[in-house]
Amino acid sequence: EVQLVESGGGLVQPGGSLRLSCAASGFTFNNFWMTWVRQAPGKGLEWVANIRQDGNEKYYMDSVKGRFTISRDTAKNSLHLQMDSLRAGDTAVYYCARQDYGSGSYSYWGQGTLVTVSS
Amino acid sequence: EIAMTQSPATLSVSPGERATLSCRASQRVINNLAWYQQKPGQAPRLLIYGASTRATGIPARFSGSGSGTEFTLTISSLQSEDFAVYYCQQYRSWPYTFGQGTKLDI
Repeated sequence: EVQLVESGGGLVQPGGSLRLSCAASGFTFNNFWMTWVRQAPGKGLEWVANIRQDGNEKYYMDSVKGRFTISRDTAKNSLHLQMDSLRAGDTAVYYCARQDYGSGSYSYWGQGTLVTVSS
Repeated sequence: EIAMTQSPATLSVSPGERATLSCRASQRVINNLAWYQQKPGQAPRLLIYGASTRATGIPARFSGSGSGTEFTLTISSLQSEDFAVYYCQQYRSWPYTFGQGTKLDI
């Protein structure tokens, strides 16, 4: 069974940093692109970033470029999102998702972890 | 970046009725489009990919159509469990983008 479990969320002050993690199991992690998607309270879904199987290709939404870094640890089957220079607008539930093979859709999602940026 | 626009923002329908949700892309995405359903407190659930292919386990009352820039999700006979928020997503080019959602209300 495919499982994605996020962790690392919490309350952080504006300008601060946070590192999210996603533990993957039930599939061959090295075979799939992985993605972070976020959802601000009461708002819609926002695609944040994704990373290729080997970690050598990454893409970001414009508003997080230069502040967020996506990475993966193939030995530990884990995905990470390093978030620096956090702003109030980054407050959201952050979901880890597995990109479907040969497609850009997402059949598998984690339960999400809440990041709150506030003083 | 490709912008996705969904309409209407809210659609009020009755159980048993047909619902038609629209999604428009600011550039051609060919058929690289997915639809998701999301209920409160839950992660999104994939309904349709490739604009018209139902995901595993999705009932036949859900259907997708369209290509290029105009897409439609149709729910043929609404069940009580279908009342939720629906999102479209393009995966033609990075960054991938979602529409702002359509809330299906009873």
